[in-house]
Amino acid sequence: ILNVEQSPQSLHVQEGDSTNFTCSFPSSNFYALHWYRWETAKSPEALFVMTLNGDEKKKGRISATLNTKEGYSYLYIKGSQPEDSATYLCAINNAGNMLTFGGGTRLMVKP
Amino acid sequence: EPEVTQTPSHQVTQMGQEVILRCVPISNHLYFYWYRQILGQKVEFLVSFYNNEISEKSEIFDDQFSVERPDGSNFTLKIRSTKLEDSAMYFCASSDRDRVAGANVLTFGAGSRLTVL
Repeated sequence: ILNVEQSPQSLHVQEGDSTNFTCSFPSSNFYALHWYRWETAKSPEALFVMTLNGDEKKKGRISATLNTKEGYSYLYIKGSQPEDSATYLCAINNAGNMLTFGGGTRLMVKP
Repeated sequence: EPEVTQTPSHQVTQMGQEVILRCVPISNHLYFYWYRQILGQKVEFLVSFYNNEISEKSEIFDDQFSVERPDGSNFTLKIRSTKLEDSAMYFCASSDRDRVAGANVLTFGAGSRLTVL
């Protein structure tokens, strides 16, 4: 069973703070890593898909890096805003189309 | 922006009853999926569907579960005889043909919450 772990489970930051969280996964049979942003009562929204070791992706104030050799990815948010409050989910493809999800990091940004 | 729609948003049912959850995937997508999240647990894969047949399924997806694409637009998940442990949020998703193997980007619906009493 593929085990994907995310840390921390939850995070409270002040508006304007920069923050980051981690996704860890087994490095064998790696295909792709996905980051999703999930606001309560809405659909999980795709942020990034990364496949290559050393990949870095950026979308506005959010960026992500990937290390497939050691089995981790970081998601960074620069200058957090209240609208960034959401659960951030990491998921791994190791074969086929099936995604294995981590438990998520719940981010709360206080104004 | 195209979206995946799911109905109902919430269903309450008695144990042993049949439930059908409905999804309308994005129209030009070819791959369809069901995932679920039991409260407090991780999101879990149930099944993927391509070219009118199941392409992958997890151990959770036993004989009590079935999927169907009855027409060109709907994708349904049926649970034949619900159990208490089937209570969860069920997510439908769809994706395009993968240009890079393993890197399909899934578009999720907002989920259908199933409560089994």
